[in-house]
Amino acid sequence: GAVVSQHPSRVICKSGTSVKIECRSLDFQATTMFWYRQFPKKSLMLMATSNEGSKATYEQGVEKDKFLINHASLTLSTLTVTSAHPEDSSFYICSASDWDRGQETQYFGPGTRLLVL
Amino acid sequence: SQQGEEDPQALSIQEGENATMNCSYKTSINNLQWYRQNSGRGLVHLILIRSNEREKHSGRLRVTLDTSKKSSSLLITASRAADTASYFCATDTRGSTLGRLYFGRGTQLTVWP
Repeated sequence: GAVVSQHPSRVICKSGTSVKIECRSLDFQATTMFWYRQFPKKSLMLMATSNEGSKATYEQGVEKDKFLINHASLTLSTLTVTSAHPEDSSFYICSASDWDRGQETQYFGPGTRLLVL
Repeated sequence: SQQGEEDPQALSIQEGENATMNCSYKTSINNLQWYRQNSGRGLVHLILIRSNEREKHSGRLRVTLDTSKKSSSLLITASRAADTASYFCATDTRGSTLGRLYFGRGTQLTVWP
């Protein structure tokens, strides 16, 4: 199946700094990628839909100025957590859709664990 | 709010037994998908069932869908210790951007050797 990578896999930063997380589709092109956030032992919450060449679509309650999304190419989307605070500590997961044997399947990255001190 | 709700939240069984997890959702869907997540890792897609399908099989997995009850079940037969993980259902809702998925809280499955 298709592979999606994320970088970094884990990051620790100081409160007030910004952190960029990359999501790449390695062997397919993805016009649409998705960003999720997951708290410990909780579900994945969809944050936003990242569209190549246009603005991201944010879910209700997600601050677009806080979580900047850029989908610069068909294989790369970035999520920047601006002025991070401890409450932003979480597991961030991206996904990208690929068509395989006539069926659309979402492939998920391995996740990025963010800890804000 | 998130669409799916899994039941039970936690399930503990012995190797060789079958594991059944249920998922309920709220609105009309295009399809429903089941994913697996090992602790602290990304998600692995297991199976997709479309709204016009009632049952689907993949290896030891069997998924059913009842759109009238807005529910789905995932059955893992002859479970193995390696099946220990969290299992999530996710719905792709009608009218939404294709691919937007809403996840339930998940079922934590523990299979004892």
